[in-house]
Amino acid sequence: QKEVEQDPGPLSVPEGAIVSLNCTYSNSAFQYFMWYRQYSRKGPELLMYTYSSGNKEDGRFTAQVDKSSKYISLFIRDSQPSDSATYLCAMSADNYGQNFVFGPGTRLSVLP
Amino acid sequence: NAGVTQTPKFQVLKTGQSMTLQCAQDMNHEYMSWYRQDPGMGLRLIHYSVGAGITDQGEVPNGYNVSRSTTEDFPLRLLSAAPSQTSVYFCASSPAGANVLTFGAGSRLTVL
Repeated sequence: QKEVEQDPGPLSVPEGAIVSLNCTYSNSAFQYFMWYRQYSRKGPELLMYTYSSGNKEDGRFTAQVDKSSKYISLFIRDSQPSDSATYLCAMSADNYGQNFVFGPGTRLSVLP
Repeated sequence: NAGVTQTPKFQVLKTGQSMTLQCAQDMNHEYMSWYRQDPGMGLRLIHYSVGAGITDQGEVPNGYNVSRSTTEDFPLRLLSAAPSQTSVYFCASSPAGANVLTFGAGSRLTVL
């Protein structure tokens, strides 16, 4: 079993839909959870950062962490074609800045 | 600000050749790291550095060397290229004590 599992997709939705992206993990020591967005042929960019369990909202994006289930989610409301990208989850047990484990990414296409 | 700059963007090598991937950041970040990204595998850490003169191995270090003589630069050397090293390589940096990675645009390497 991989340490972080993520459905690779591709996931296609119509413009305006609510998108749910998910990751599961096995290491209960993870406390820091991140979502990165990666456009084609570009480097990943940090989208959301959360610590421990709970929700965090930023505009159309909401990150949820359920540590009891070892499950994290990213919701995108009113999805736009510009949201078409690969979304990577990442997690860490500390904040030392290098001990990350990344999921393989989910490729999302938002169709106009 | 340029952020994290990687060169070259594309490279084709023959088996056994050596080369250096360059990485420079202008954000005065203490931490720098190299990842490789392969389909279905997620980003995997090759080597990292927590400051000038300090480097350490990540998850997949074999076949690669690094050095950090300045805060700004963190080159990755392939000693004797192998087809298994065909991948997209990303350099990233972060401030000390922060799980906020800034990635470069990537270097796409093909080893024949």
